[in-house]
Amino acid sequence: NAGVTQTPKFQVLKTGQSMTLQCAQDMNHEYMSWYRQDPGMGLRLIHYSVGAGITDQGEVPNGYNVSRSTTEDFPLRLLSAAPSQTSVYFCASSYSTGLSGSYEQYFGPGTRLTVT
Amino acid sequence: QQQVKQSPQSLIVQKGGISIINCAYENTAFDYFPWYQQFPGKGPALLIAIRPDVSEKKEGRFTISFNKSAKQFSLHIMDSQPGDSATYFCAASMFSGGYNKLIFGAGTRLAVHP
Repeated sequence: NAGVTQTPKFQVLKTGQSMTLQCAQDMNHEYMSWYRQDPGMGLRLIHYSVGAGITDQGEVPNGYNVSRSTTEDFPLRLLSAAPSQTSVYFCASSYSTGLSGSYEQYFGPGTRLTVT
Repeated sequence: QQQVKQSPQSLIVQKGGISIINCAYENTAFDYFPWYQQFPGKGPALLIAIRPDVSEKKEGRFTISFNKSAKQFSLHIMDSQPGDSATYFCAASMFSGGYNKLIFGAGTRLAVHP
């Protein structure tokens, strides 16, 4: 199993450009999520999905869109990039054990995005 | 407003020493407390986790101590090794919107010197 894969690894955008960060998992996990990691702030949840066709907002959703048409894929779209979106983006997947709070998130290797 | 506060920001320990990282939380609805380990250029990976009905959990050299009344928990790394040098994140989880949302601390960069 490849686990959680993300592309690209690095990206530089100009302010106002749009792009899509790709995320795929081959573990048949129900749940997928996107985080951004900034120095001194830990990881913050952007959007998440509890299954194909179902998405919801996390802590910092503004400026980002997601969709989930298949169990495997969960792309993150930046509609009009801003310098404040310079960050490292991580995709994660997880499964439900049926018990609230007892599960593990599997993270991808990340995408380092710079917006100039 | 940071719901999970982590300290210290950085930590230097000699090989063989004990590394201690502390976290505090505010929301009593949290019901799962994992620690993640992240090496440079990699995504975080689950290291160890605890639920609030247990005061301590040990896995090899890694121990979580949990104080429910004080709303604090800590990670102890015994016999620290240079290979333990990484960034450590504590987190707290609550079930909301059909999903177990993780709230992360700011992270601690640990350096273990030989």
